[in-house]
Amino acid sequence: AQKVTQAQTEISVVEKEDVTLDCVYETRDTTYYLFWYKQPPSGELVFLIRRNSFDEQNEISGRYSWNFQKSTSSFNFTITASQVVDSAVYFCALSEAGNAGGTSYGKLTFGQGTILTVHP
Amino acid sequence: EPEVTQTPSHQVTQMGQEVILRCVPISNHLYFYWYRQILGQKVEFLVSFYNNEISEKSEIFDDQFSVERPDGSNFTLKIRSTKLEDSAMYFCASRPDRGRFISNQPQHFGDGTRLSIL
Repeated sequence: AQKVTQAQTEISVVEKEDVTLDCVYETRDTTYYLFWYKQPPSGELVFLIRRNSFDEQNEISGRYSWNFQKSTSSFNFTITASQVVDSAVYFCALSEAGNAGGTSYGKLTFGQGTILTVHP
Repeated sequence: EPEVTQTPSHQVTQMGQEVILRCVPISNHLYFYWYRQILGQKVEFLVSFYNNEISEKSEIFDDQFSVERPDGSNFTLKIRSTKLEDSAMYFCASRPDRGRFISNQPQHFGDGTRLSIL
C-alpha cells in the first residue's frame, strides 16, 4: 500500500529565509508520481509541482525547487527567499500507476501536511 | 482558467439527516474524485469515479456514502444518515484522460464544502 510521511509538523521561518519541506514515501509500484499541494488559510488545495518516478532530474521553478531521490524515497520541496504569502499547509502526495499487479485510477495519497509560517 | 466548483461552501446538518454535496468538474475531464479532510488532519481519499461507475473506494466510503453523476456536468456525494464524525471538509477533484498514465496528471480540486454535523 502506498504511504506518504511528512515528519515536520510545523516550520517557522523569517521572511527571505529558504525553507525545505521533507517528504518520504512508500510504494511497491515502479512507476509513480509525486506531487506537492499548498493549502492556504482559505482552505483550497493548490497544485504546485509534479514529479515522475522515472525522471530524477531536479528542477527549479521560480522560487520553488525540489529534490527527488529514489534511493531514499524522498521528495523534498524548497522555497527560496520565503514570503509571508507562502504561509500555508503543504501536502506531499503520491499517485501510483498500478504496475505492481494492482490497478490504479489515480487516487492521491497525502502526507499529514507541514504547517509553514513565514514571519515578516 | 476552468475550475472545479463545489456547492455549498458550508453545509450545516442535523445528525441522522441526509446530505448531498455537489460538484461541477472541469468540462473535458473524465476522472472524478471525492476526498475529505477532518479539521487539522490530512486529506483522505474517499472514492474515484470513471465512465459512470465507481472505479475505486476507500474503507471510509461505506454503505452510507454514494456518488452519482446525474447529468453531464454534476458529480454528487450523498451521505445517507450523517454522523458527528462526518464533520469535515469535502473536496471534489477531477483530472483529464491522458490515456494509460492518468496518474501523472495533477488533480484539480474545488474549494471544498465544509460539512458540520450537529
